[in-house]
Order: sequence, then C-alpha cells, then structure tokens
Amino acid sequence: GQNIDQPTEMTATEGAIVQINCTYQTSGFNGLFWYQQHAGEAPTFLSYNVLDGLEEKGRFSSFLSRSKGYSYLLLKELQMKDSASYLCAVYSGTYKYIFGTGTRLKVLA
Amino acid sequence: EPEVTQTPSHQVTQMGQEVILRCVPISNHLYFYWYRQILGQKVEFLVSFYNNEISEKSEIFDDQFSVERPDGSNFTLKIRSTKLEDSAMYFCASSTGIWRGYQETQYFGPGTRLLVL
Repeated sequence: GQNIDQPTEMTATEGAIVQINCTYQTSGFNGLFWYQQHAGEAPTFLSYNVLDGLEEKGRFSSFLSRSKGYSYLLLKELQMKDSASYLCAVYSGTYKYIFGTGTRLKVLA
Repeated sequence: EPEVTQTPSHQVTQMGQEVILRCVPISNHLYFYWYRQILGQKVEFLVSFYNNEISEKSEIFDDQFSVERPDGSNFTLKIRSTKLEDSAMYFCASSTGIWRGYQETQYFGPGTRLLVL
C-alpha cells in the first residue's frame, strides 16, 4: 500500500525553528518533495531529496533517510508568512506523485 | 517567469453534467498532470500524460475521467456525468520530464474550483 504520514497541525513562534516530519511506506521511491500550500492556492515547490542527508536552501532545509522511510523539513527564522500547509510527496519514479495529508503550520507573533 | 494557467477558475455544474477543465502547461514541459484536492483533504494524484498517452493513473481516474491534448498548448480534463463528490479543486501541473530531481519538479497551476450541485 501507499502511506505517507505527517502531523496534522503545528504551532510555532515567529523567529523560532520548526521541524515537520514525514514518514512514508510506498511501493516505489525515487525522491521526496516538499511543497508549501497557502489556503486556497496551489502547492509551490520548496525542496527535494533523492539521496540520504540534508539539503539546505536558505531558511529551509530537508533531510531524508531512505532506510527509515523518514524525512523532515526544517524551517528557520520563522516569519508570519510561513503560516501555511506543508506537503510531503513521494515520487514513485513512473511520473506519479503521492502526497501526504499535509501539516498546517501556524506561526504566532 | 513561465507559469501554468488554468481555466475557468471556478465552475458550477449540475449533477450529471459533463465538465471540461482546461490547462496550458509551461511551453517546454513534456509531462502533464492532473490532481484533485477535496476541501480540507490531501492532494490526490489523478493522472500523468506524456507524448499523447497516459503514463500513470490512479484508482480514482476511472471511466468517468478522460484527458486530452487537443492542440500544442492545451491539456484538458473531462469529467462525465458529474457527481456531488466530484466537488473539489482540480490542479494541473507540468514538468520537464528530465529526471534530475529539481528538473522534474512540477509547477502547479492555480486550480479550478469545481462545485457540483
């Protein structure tokens, strides 16, 4: 089966660091993507991991452990505009993406 | 910056009617996708399309749905005999199809909100 799990909601304070976890069990794996989605809008690409380890991109970093079926997205120096849903998606390698349920992040002043 | 466009932004239809959702992918992209997102739920893959053929489809994408690339720019999703549960946001996405991770990154259109009454 295909299963991607993320926490439903998280809350953090402006300026803080937050880590959003994603665990997956899928029949194929060729990469893990993170997207940001503001309410009523389309998902926008944040980062991806194909190999194990940490990928850093400005205030955002993403980590992957393929053996553990685990990834996380790290957001530093949180800003109010970071309040959004964060979607973890596994790319199966046959032009098919499976999305997790998304994590709604609220950033408080 | 090039972007994926979708029309209409909103569509209201009666149950049992047919709807066609339209997308214009980014011009040098080769792979096209349709997703749906029921309000408050996750993004669900429907279908991917390459070289005038379906590459992959999900179990949701049954005989009620079809996709077409009628000309060099448009990519359409047809939903026949709509049901109440088809009410959702439908996103189109496109990618280059060159798998180097970031290059396979999908770019999403703004979506069409479909309401079936």
